[in-house]
Formats: sequence, C-alpha cells, structure tokens
Amino acid sequence: GAGVSQTPSNKVTEKGKYVELRCDPISGHTALYWYRQSLGQGPEFLIYFQGTGAADDSGLPNDRFFAVRPEGSVSTLKIQRTERGDSAVYLCASSYGLAENPYEQYFGPGTRLTVT
Amino acid sequence: GENVEQHPSTLSVQEGDSAVIKCTYSDSASNYFPWYKQELGKRPQLIIDIRSNVGEKKDQRIAVTLNKTAKHFSLHITETQPEDSAVYFCAAVNPSGAGSYQLTFGKGTKLSVIP
Repeated sequence: GAGVSQTPSNKVTEKGKYVELRCDPISGHTALYWYRQSLGQGPEFLIYFQGTGAADDSGLPNDRFFAVRPEGSVSTLKIQRTERGDSAVYLCASSYGLAENPYEQYFGPGTRLTVT
Repeated sequence: GENVEQHPSTLSVQEGDSAVIKCTYSDSASNYFPWYKQELGKRPQLIIDIRSNVGEKKDQRIAVTLNKTAKHFSLHITETQPEDSAVYFCAAVNPSGAGSYQLTFGKGTKLSVIP
C-alpha cells in the first residue's frame, strides 16, 4: 500500500515568512508524529496526534510552531515568522496507534525547509 | 526525559565483515528499541526492533541485543554488503501518560562498507 507522503519535498522561504508543511499518513493509521532532523543529527520529536487531537506537543520549540489534524488523517505543520534556525528536514511518521500496534512508526520522505 | 547515546559515529568495514553499533539509554521505563536505516536524502526505514521483554532478535543478516540491566542495546550486521552503507539510528520509546510513543533517537552511525 501507499506509504506516508509529505509535500512539498523542498521549500525555500525568506526569513519572517509563514510556511505550511503537509503530511498524509498511511491509511488506517490513527497516530501521527512530526519530527525535525537537523543536518548530521537524529530526528527530534515535535508533536503527536492520536486522531484529531494533539495529545502531546511538548517538543514544539516555541509558539511559532503549530500543527493541526482536523479530520484525523492529513496533518499540517505551520511555522510563523520563520527564522534561519528553523532550516531542517521535517519528517512525519504514522502508526496504528493505541488500538493496534502503537510502537512501529513509518516515516515519510520529509520536507527540506530552507530559510534564507 | 529519555537520552540515547550512540557509538561509533562513523564505522568503516570491509565487505563481508561484521558491523556492530551500540546504544545506551537513560530511562529504565523505556520498553521499545527500534533501529532505522537512512540512506542519503531518503526517509528513515525501520529495519528491526526489540521489546524490553526480549533479549535478542534476529532477521537474516541483522540482529539486535538488549541488556535491560545495563540499559544498552546493539545492532549487529553480518556479512556486510555495499548496499548496507547508510546512516543507522537507534531509538528508544518510553510511553507517556498522554499515549505518545515518541521516538528518542541517537545521533546516528554512518556505516561505510568497502567493496
């Protein structure tokens, strides 16, 4: 079946602009995670959704970052007033969640965000 | 919170030799330990995982061992092939009260298999 998809694959924006990054999880996966991967580092957790609600947003670095998942499927990560330090690859992952197997997470290809 | 340390950061082996990557974790409540392989510019791919109630798991040329007492786990790749060249990440999960199974990753090991 189709894996996790993310759009756009690359995004270049100017400092101070607003960006939206989209994630389409595997069909049937109720849990969705956003991670951020800086160059040469492992992914770092940002936010977790179970269904439509953000159950854990403890990884969001500040209030410029926000994410939604209004219908429990597609999620959008929103970044306001972008800064050069926001440049990274933003990864989305999904899993079956609490009902089945909450452990195995499958990643999308990521969105490479560059803030100039 | 959880902290995962991974060593070495780079590893070069001759084709056919074995490769071992080691990780330690800090939170004794962590109960799931996956390994991901990430090729350049690609998504992380889950290659093997182990739960805390098991000491070892094997899948063809790859195996993972877990020592809960020492809080460390290792990835073993035997008979390495050039296509095994990639960055490997270990991770740990400590399920939270909010139901999150967020992954805490190590910094990665760049494995190069020399033909």
